[in-house]
Amino acid sequence: QVQLRQSGAAMKKPGASLKLPCEASGYKFDAYSINWVRQAPGQGLEWMGIWTHRGPGSSYRKKLEAMMNPRSGGGSAIYAQKFQGRVTMTREMSTVYMELTGLTSEDTAIYYCAREEGDGMDVWGQGTTVTVSS
Amino acid sequence: DIALTQSPGTLSLSPGERGTLSCRASQSVSNNYVAWYQQKPGQPPRLLIFAASSRATDIPDRFSGSGSGTDFTLTINKLEPEDFGMYYCQQYGSSIRTFGPGTKVEMK
Repeated sequence: QVQLRQSGAAMKKPGASLKLPCEASGYKFDAYSINWVRQAPGQGLEWMGIWTHRGPGSSYRKKLEAMMNPRSGGGSAIYAQKFQGRVTMTREMSTVYMELTGLTSEDTAIYYCAREEGDGMDVWGQGTTVTVSS
Repeated sequence: DIALTQSPGTLSLSPGERGTLSCRASQSVSNNYVAWYQQKPGQPPRLLIFAASSRATDIPDRFSGSGSGTDFTLTINKLEPEDFGMYYCQQYGSSIRTFGPGTKVEMK
């Protein structure tokens, strides 16, 4: 069964950091990228960034690799301008982590991960609710 | 970054009616890589359409997508009660993905 498993709800204080896991199972991990998308209360969907594998592949992946963020560590990641300098996406085994620093109340949201391979985001995690409050 | 606008903001329909949702991009979307998602309260989004017009797995054929370049449309034929909710378009033709603000399909 194809699944993306996310962690339970988290409460953070302003100024803190969060690191959320997205554990993939039931499919060939290397064949897909992982997006992070968040949704503030009562608001729409906001794309944060995408993590993908290095190495040979389609022109789609090569294009992503060409725009690699050096802070992504063992893989290739591209971040939305809004989160540049505050977000880092990394991978360990079949889990992709999204770390967000300098939290404020505006980061209160549900954080989703979603798999993608050129055909839209076809599998989503259940989401992690993050509340930032003093 | 490619900005997406969606119209209308809210669409009031009765079951059995047809709904037409619009998504417009600020610049041409490469390969017409536009997807549509449905979201219901308390649930993650569900992929309906990818590459502008291809239905995702297990999506009923009353959902159809069309369009190219900067203008894209999601059509829902013969609306079913379970079709009410939020609909978002998203482009992935650029390495920086973006979502539209959404259209709420509500019961009239």
